Amino acid sequence: DIVMTQTPLSSPVTLGQPASISCRSSQSLVHSDGNTYLSWLQQRPGQPPRLLIYKISNRFSGVPDRFSGSGAGTDFTLKISRVEAEDVGVYYCMQATQFPFTFGPGTKVDIK
Amino acid sequence: QITLKESGPTLVKPTQTLTLTCTFSGFSLSTSGVGVGWIRQPPGKALEWLALIYWDDDKRYSPSLKSRLTITKDTSKNQVVLTMTNMDPVDTATYYCAHREYYYGSGSYDYWGQGTLVTVSS
Repeated sequence: DIVMTQTPLSSPVTLGQPASISCRSSQSLVHSDGNTYLSWLQQRPGQPPRLLIYKISNRFSGVPDRFSGSGAGTDFTLKISRVEAEDVGVYYCMQATQFPFTFGPGTKVDIK
Repeated sequence: QITLKESGPTLVKPTQTLTLTCTFSGFSLSTSGVGVGWIRQPPGKALEWLALIYWDDDKRYSPSLKSRLTITKDTSKNQVVLTMTNMDPVDTATYYCAHREYYYGSGSYDYWGQGTLVTVSS
């Protein structure tokens, strides 16, 4: 199985300030079809997960442009340019390149 | 728009079999590239991928749970069913179903149900 790790596991941030989460996979996430199926999901308290970013850097429909994704191969980053109160929650990276699909442990983002 | 909703028992006893149904709308599971998967989340813990079924009836399972899981689809009813045998208290979790579109979509789980909490207890 591909193991996904995230750092930090907890990130207290100041409103209006940037935040960054790193995700690393135990092997390359480049699929044989040429795509890299690395996505980021947000889970607000009491809510189901919500897709933010897919294929490394593509924002899903309705996702604010303060969220951005980058990376390649085994190292990926989610950035929030200016944290807003509604961004509080847990963020997961997920790989869908190889079965079984796997998730990172989650990074909890809250307000200082 | 795409919606999914999980249904099933909220409480099961140890050793019993759990049957969950995902009823969806806004897409067809007969469309090439489309899949529906199941993911669970124990209280306060991370997400765990369980199973996925594709439009062509290709089925994939978590290796650690494969012997206990069965995923099926009823295209005419717009439903996907997950069964898990020999339930144990460690299987207590919120179970989610989610949509995946491989060819023309995100390639990720882009639409999720609200989830259903299943408690395993005698």
